[in-house]
Amino acid sequence: AQSVTQLDSQVPVFEEAPVELRCNYSSSVSVYLFWYVQYPNQGLQLLLKYLSGSTLVKGINGFEAEFNKSQTSFHLRKPSVHISDTAEYFCAVRPTNFGNEKLTFGTGTRLTIIP
Amino acid sequence: DGGITQSPKYLFRKEGQNVTLSCEQNLNHDAMYWYRQDPGQGLRLIYYSQIVNDFQKGDIAEGYSVSREKKESFPLTVTSAQKNPTAFYLCASQDREAYNEQFFGPGTRLTVL
Repeated sequence: AQSVTQLDSQVPVFEEAPVELRCNYSSSVSVYLFWYVQYPNQGLQLLLKYLSGSTLVKGINGFEAEFNKSQTSFHLRKPSVHISDTAEYFCAVRPTNFGNEKLTFGTGTRLTIIP
Repeated sequence: DGGITQSPKYLFRKEGQNVTLSCEQNLNHDAMYWYRQDPGQGLRLIYYSQIVNDFQKGDIAEGYSVSREKKESFPLTVTSAQKNPTAFYLCASQDREAYNEQFFGPGTRLTVL
């Protein structure tokens, strides 16, 4: 089984400042990793994903994340945030083997941008 | 445009009533999922289906039922046995062979009065 921990339930950040949203996972098998964003009263939209290869992945809206296998982490970063980045962010993992595509989600981090 | 539709956006029901939430996708995806979202708890898997006419219980299936008679459709019924049904419900689909991400619908907010 897998588990995902997002330690920060809420993160306030001033506009144009950098931000890092933390994600740690636990799994006995290799996993794919995902970050999703959810705007109020909407569904989830994929920001980025790590399947294999380079551990630094770039996503939409200027976000990037780095996969660190030794620390079992997949932290999300953005060098300069905007008001429009206010949303809830979810980290998720799933095993790499075919036939087991279920996602396990973290509890989410609410990012609030302060003007 | 390809995507996932969920209807209705908002749904109100009285205690003791069953209600069915609709989920339709035109992405030609084999797999479909239903999640429940509560504040501070992330998304929890209710049911999933990897192929037509087959579905599996997720982590919190009690009080819910589903059917998968067509590839495009995966309706969720919230029964009167569900003790705390007020929540935001999200449907998702996935192309299994592409090792791709899940695509989500806009959600249905269910409120029990």
